[in-house]
Amino acid sequence: EAGVTQFPSHSVIEKGQTVTLRCDPISGHDNLYWYRRVMGKEIKFLLHFVKESKQDESGMPNNRFLAERTGGTYSTLKVQPAELEDSGVYFCASSQSRFNSPLHFGNGTRLTVT
Amino acid sequence: KNEVEQSPQNLTAQEGEFITINCSYSVGISALHWLQQHPGGGIVSLFMLSSGKKKHGRLIATINIQEKHSSLHITASHPRDSAVYICAVAPRRGSARQLTFGSGTQLTVLP
Repeated sequence: EAGVTQFPSHSVIEKGQTVTLRCDPISGHDNLYWYRRVMGKEIKFLLHFVKESKQDESGMPNNRFLAERTGGTYSTLKVQPAELEDSGVYFCASSQSRFNSPLHFGNGTRLTVT
Repeated sequence: KNEVEQSPQNLTAQEGEFITINCSYSVGISALHWLQQHPGGGIVSLFMLSSGKKKHGRLIATINIQEKHSSLHITASHPRDSAVYICAVAPRRGSARQLTFGSGTQLTVLP
């Protein structure tokens, strides 16, 4: 079974530019999560999809972040325009059910905004 | 105060040593996850447990729900165990809360 894949693995952009991160969850996993780890801090929740619907986006920092999950398959997270404080590692994870179900993480996208 | 506290933050051990990483939490949970993150790499789920103890190879995870505490043990540690170990707690069924992470424990095992 293919795992959760994310790309790009690294992205370096200038402040003000746009970046789109992509996550392909494990096939059949309805639940898809985005998380972010900023340097020196713990991983924080960004949002949760159930199939194509946003179940919870309470962790999204502001309206410069837009997430979509077309057809309940892969998901994208767009940052526009990027700011310096957006730098960090963005992780995607998927699971079959929300509760008591193992989480499968991707390798993350390291975003550097200069 | 964070809802999930890990200790120690950093740990250096000699190869072969027995290692313990601790996690305490202050909220009701349905399960607790132990995760491993290698340098420059992704996150691997080691354990998900809601009671008792689980073992996988040289790794053992225990949880005491009453005391809101979990430990991750590594027996006969090896340099390839060097990584960041992260504890995360999953909310109770029906809760609107999301997975909450500890800040991680950086483990370095020296040859």
